[in-house]
Amino acid sequence: QSVLTQPPSMSEVPRQRVTIPCSGSSSNIGSNAVNWYQQLPGKAPKLLMYNDDLVPSGVSDRFSGSKSGTSASLAISGLQSEDEAAYYCAVWDDSLKGWVFGGGTKLTVL
Amino acid sequence: EVQLVESGGGLVKPGGSLRLSCAASGFTFRSYSMNWVRQAPGKGLEWVSSISSSSTYIYYADSVKGRFTISRDNAKNSLYLQMNSLRAEDTAVYYCVKNNEFDPWGQGTLVTVSS
Repeated sequence: QSVLTQPPSMSEVPRQRVTIPCSGSSSNIGSNAVNWYQQLPGKAPKLLMYNDDLVPSGVSDRFSGSKSGTSASLAISGLQSEDEAAYYCAVWDDSLKGWVFGGGTKLTVL
Repeated sequence: EVQLVESGGGLVKPGGSLRLSCAASGFTFRSYSMNWVRQAPGKGLEWVSSISSSSTYIYYADSVKGRFTISRDNAKNSLYLQMNSLRAEDTAVYYCVKNNEFDPWGQGTLVTVSS
């Protein structure tokens, strides 16, 4: 059972927008910056978003992040088949004194 | 270009030990915190351990505390993970990851704990 809660799977059709939620608590998302990672099948994870809503150089501007209270979300607009991957949120937890990851959301582009 | 190359994985019996290494290049290694993250087959990501740039601060996940030891050699641009008393549930791909943004990730090294 992950400290951060994500839906195990989501699906959407190409060119649409999807929002992946990540729910936590006051000791993690409520206090610290959230990062997001994309893991393509058979590959190592890649940083997609950091400090809640900052996009690393080289990452498409179709990706955006937001946070409110103890929840964060990753939005992907103009869905493409290449976006089919697993997405993970992560944040430092002040109570656990460690990093916590969400369980991951497998996104299928129909 | 930043590169992280893990090595040292393999098959080990329950109760055994293994030492993972991560060779870093393309950045000033001594200036950044480093991490180990693992992924069991078909499962999600699990943070294992973190170490600050000068080894002052070290953190472990409860699942490995007392069994795993993280260390670094800034002169050799290398990160290590000494894993003792290994269990079947430690079977995973272990990734070496740079800094608090966890960026970038190495390609991973597979550790299999089985009799």
